[in-house]
This record gives sequence, structure tokens and C-alpha cells, in this order.
Amino acid sequence: QKEVEQNSGPLSVPEGAIASLNCTYSDRGSQSFFWYRQYSGKSPELIMFIYSNGDKEDGRFTAQLNKASQYVSLLIRDSQPSDSATYLCAVSFQGGSEKLVFGKGMKLTVNP
Amino acid sequence: DTGVSQDPRHKITKRGQNVTFRCDPISEHNRLYWYRQTLGQGPEFLTYFQNEAQLEKSRLLSDRFSAERPKGSFSTLEIQRTEQGDSAMYLCASSRTVSSYNSPLHFGNGTRLTVT
Repeated sequence: QKEVEQNSGPLSVPEGAIASLNCTYSDRGSQSFFWYRQYSGKSPELIMFIYSNGDKEDGRFTAQLNKASQYVSLLIRDSQPSDSATYLCAVSFQGGSEKLVFGKGMKLTVNP
Repeated sequence: DTGVSQDPRHKITKRGQNVTFRCDPISEHNRLYWYRQTLGQGPEFLTYFQNEAQLEKSRLLSDRFSAERPKGSFSTLEIQRTEQGDSAMYLCASSRTVSSYNSPLHFGNGTRLTVT
């Protein structure tokens, strides 16, 4: 059973702070890693994807991947109230995005 | 890019009825996925198509569920003899196979099903 684990949260941070979201996965052969943001009642929206060990930055978002530890994280710098949402970690256990397996999500609240 | 389109947005049905949902993927995307999401959970994979071929089905997809993608364009998901446990958000997503590592999923707005 291939699994993706996220701390259930919720996570609350003040505006302007760094929010750190973590995810672990069970299959060492996993290839592709994704972070989605989901506002309440809406569908998931892709934020970042990462395939190689290390960091990948896009604006205020940084994804970090450590395949040896089977760990992927998302950092949100200068958090804004509009970042308040549920963040979903997703992992593809094959080469490509066949059958993405999602974690349960972490609810983030950014307080003004 | 008009995005992934799903219809209807909401469906309320009585237990035992059949329902059908439609998904129109992004036009150049050859892969189409169906997921189901319940409150407080992440999306769960149901099935996916590459062009018109259904390549994988989850064990979650009981024999009451059937999905089709005729001509490799839009897809339909039918649930027969609906049960209250089928109440969920049904999400469609599509992607384009450029290389095996560059095909993130783009989701539609979903169809929320309520079985009474």
C-alpha cells in the first residue's frame, strides 16, 4: 500500500511569517512530487512540482525534496491571509503522473 | 486554455438512482483522471484514461461505477444504484504527456454528489 502522510494540523501562522508544511511517502521508488492548494469548496490547484533532490523556488513558495528520507516539504514565505487553504501533498509512484496518491491535506490559517 | 470543465456542478439524487457526470479535459491533454474526495480527505484515485483507453481502475471503483472516454475527448462517469456512501466530490483532471516527468494534473471544479 503506497501511502502519503501529512500532519493533519491545522497550522496557524501570523501574517508575514514562514509556513512550513511537511509530507512523507512510503515508496522509495517515487518519482514526482506535487503540492496543491485547495480553498474550501473548490478543487485542488497546482502550486509546485519537484522531481529532483534539493530545493525548488517559485516566488514565495519553496518545495524541498529529500528522497533518502522520503520527505517533501513546502515553505511559504511572507504568508498572506489569502494563503489560508488546505495544502495537499501528492506523489506519483511511477514515472509520470499516473495515479497520483494524495495525503489528507494540512489546513493552513494565516492570521492578519 | 479554457481549463477542465465538469458538469453538473451539483447533483442531488435519491438512493438507488443512476447518475452520470461529464468531464471535458483541456483540449491538448491526452490523459484524463477521475478522483473522488470526501470531507477532510485528500482526493482518491478512481480511474484514468490515456486517449480512449482506460488504463487503470482503482479497487474503489465497484461494478456500480463505469467510466468511458469515447474518441479520447470528453469522459463520462456513471454511478448506478447510488448509495449514501457515494456522496462526495467527484473530480476530473487532465494532463499532457510531454515526457514521463512533466505532466502535472489540472483539476476541474468538480461535481458534488449528494445521495439522500
